[in-house]
Amino acid sequence: KNQVEQSPQSLIILEGKNCTLQCNYTVSPFSNLRWYKQDTGRGPVSLTIMTFSENTKSNGRYTATLDADTKQSSLHITASQLSDSASYICVVSGGGADGLTFGKGTHLIIQP
Amino acid sequence: EPEVTQTPSHQVTQMGQEVILRCVPISNHLYFYWYRQILGQKVEFLVSFYNNEISEKSEIFDDQFSVERPDGSNFTLKIRSTKLEDSAMYFCASSEDGGVLDEQYFGPGTRLTVT
Repeated sequence: KNQVEQSPQSLIILEGKNCTLQCNYTVSPFSNLRWYKQDTGRGPVSLTIMTFSENTKSNGRYTATLDADTKQSSLHITASQLSDSASYICVVSGGGADGLTFGKGTHLIIQP
Repeated sequence: EPEVTQTPSHQVTQMGQEVILRCVPISNHLYFYWYRQILGQKVEFLVSFYNNEISEKSEIFDDQFSVERPDGSNFTLKIRSTKLEDSAMYFCASSEDGGVLDEQYFGPGTRLTVT
């Protein structure tokens, strides 16, 4: 069964600090891995998309890594801001019009 | 910037009633999706739709669910006879061509409460 596991479940850090969120997956076939940001009560918004041949991708202060051999990914947030408070969801795609397999997300709280 | 819109934002219905959730995808997109998120749980894929046909559907998408594109702009999800466990946030998404790296854009969601 396709699964995406994320850790930690929740994280509290001070504004300005960095943090790293983890994702492990067992999805087959594998096409790409996506990180989404979901604000409370809103739809997910894409941050990065990586295929198996990519091992890092950045989007501003967000940097995602992918190790397709170990089926692990991480999302690193640099110099956190209050607006980064949200759930960060790791999502794996089998490709094409297939649905996406979502993790439960890491709930990140940035404190001033 | 174009965005996916959904109506209503919140729907309350009684068990056994039919509900229709509406979505307006981004205008040049060809693939459409419905997802649901039960409170406190992960987002789950329901169905994808292309060229007026269902492309893929999950085990959740049983005979109580149906999707339709009644005109050139709307994409709807119908639940025929709602159950308490259908209470969830329902997200519509659309993508341009359904390709491997195609970006899916999500709407703000409809919160469905079944009483």
